[in-house]
Amino acid sequence: DQQVKQNSPSLSVQEGRISILNCDYTNSMFDYFLWYKKYPAEGPTFLISISSIKDKNEDGRFTVFLNKSAKHLSLHIVPSQPGDSAVYFCAASITGTASKLTFGTGTRLQVML
Amino acid sequence: ETGVTQTPRHLVMGMTNKKSLKCEQHLGHNAMYWYKQSAKKPLELMFVYNFKEQTENNSVPSRFSPECPNSSHLFLHLHTLQPEDSALYLCASSQNTGAAADTQYFGPGTRLTVL
Repeated sequence: DQQVKQNSPSLSVQEGRISILNCDYTNSMFDYFLWYKKYPAEGPTFLISISSIKDKNEDGRFTVFLNKSAKHLSLHIVPSQPGDSAVYFCAASITGTASKLTFGTGTRLQVML
Repeated sequence: ETGVTQTPRHLVMGMTNKKSLKCEQHLGHNAMYWYKQSAKKPLELMFVYNFKEQTENNSVPSRFSPECPNSSHLFLHLHTLQPEDSALYLCASSQNTGAAADTQYFGPGTRLTVL
């Protein structure tokens, strides 16, 4: 049973527009959430995170929103750039077991010129 | 070399072979991890080591045997694998394992094919 779900396997967006990647979770014990980005032939790299005490965290062009009641988080990239084309993974953890990240299956983002 | 490196990058082995995957981190971290990513599945945590001690074994079959001789090196010894073990094996490291903010840094992975 997947506790972290990314229901959109792929997303295409025009350069300069907003990219919105979604993630849902089922375990209400999760209290820390992360997004990782992965380019082909490379390992995932950390992008941005959010604690459950917040509902928004921003870092440059990247913003993560958390809706605890809906058990939903989203990553907004604005403006989208061709270099953002990658697979994006959502992950979650529980305080006290922080080393145990539970990942989603990923969403492949393609930013078109 | 910087970051987390893994060798080999690709490995093809028969079911009766014995092989090892190697991971090395140059970040001065104390914790290291093995993950498995099968096709169309999420990354699955296999093992966690903190200060060379195994702290997590996520019900991994004994045909996978990890070894952590020091905080910078992590091995995954493979023997009598099955074709369903074919996957991308990723190594990661973090400063420690306690805090949620201990970001995990990943290596590029070893693509394993079991014939």
